[in-house]
Amino acid sequence: AQTVTQSQPEMSVQEAETVTLSCTYDTSENNYYLFWYKQPPSRQMILVIRQEAYKQQNATENRFSVNFQKAAKSFSLKISDSQLGDTAMYFCAFKGGSQGNLIFGKGTKLSVKP
Amino acid sequence: EAGVTQFPSHSVIEKGQTVTLRCDPISGHDNLYWYRRVMGKEIKFLLHFVKESKQDESGMPNNRFLAERTGGTYSTLKVQPAELEDSGVYFCASSPQGWTGDNEQFFGPGTRLTVL
Repeated sequence: AQTVTQSQPEMSVQEAETVTLSCTYDTSENNYYLFWYKQPPSRQMILVIRQEAYKQQNATENRFSVNFQKAAKSFSLKISDSQLGDTAMYFCAFKGGSQGNLIFGKGTKLSVKP
Repeated sequence: EAGVTQFPSHSVIEKGQTVTLRCDPISGHDNLYWYRRVMGKEIKFLLHFVKESKQDESGMPNNRFLAERTGGTYSTLKVQPAELEDSGVYFCASSPQGWTGDNEQFFGPGTRLTVL
């Protein structure tokens, strides 16, 4: 069975600095997809960034980028120039190539301090 | 365009009672998912509808949970009778028709269920 592990329950970062959230996963599949979702306090969960396993190039969305290490089954999220609005729970999620549902990690609570 | 909506936002019931949660997906989205997060644990998949059909219900914990999606529009999730361990936040998500591996799932705000 696939599993997703986020080893950092909580993190904090100063505004304008860079922070990296870690995520590891376990799967025997070769074709799959990885996602980072963000849930701000009292708000809906939204997609931050996604990565297809067969693509070697790391995905980037503005200040958000990933470091995808397929052999190590690692999918970390880097947030550059952190902003107060980045304060949220961040969930790493996996989707197998033949399944529709997401498998989530426990989440990392990120606090950006002024 | 309206996002995924869920009703109610909070529900507090006593053990043994019945509760029905509702999810309205984004208009036109064929795929509808239910997930649950018990406090301190991972968000867990419950089931997946494609239109009105149950595509995958492997995550449903037991037969006290009944999900329906009549007409392929909104969905309801009924818990009857509720137990203490059913407490948590129930999320609904939807995604467009067809299946593309990296299809974004759009999440609703969740329903926080507390069973006393």
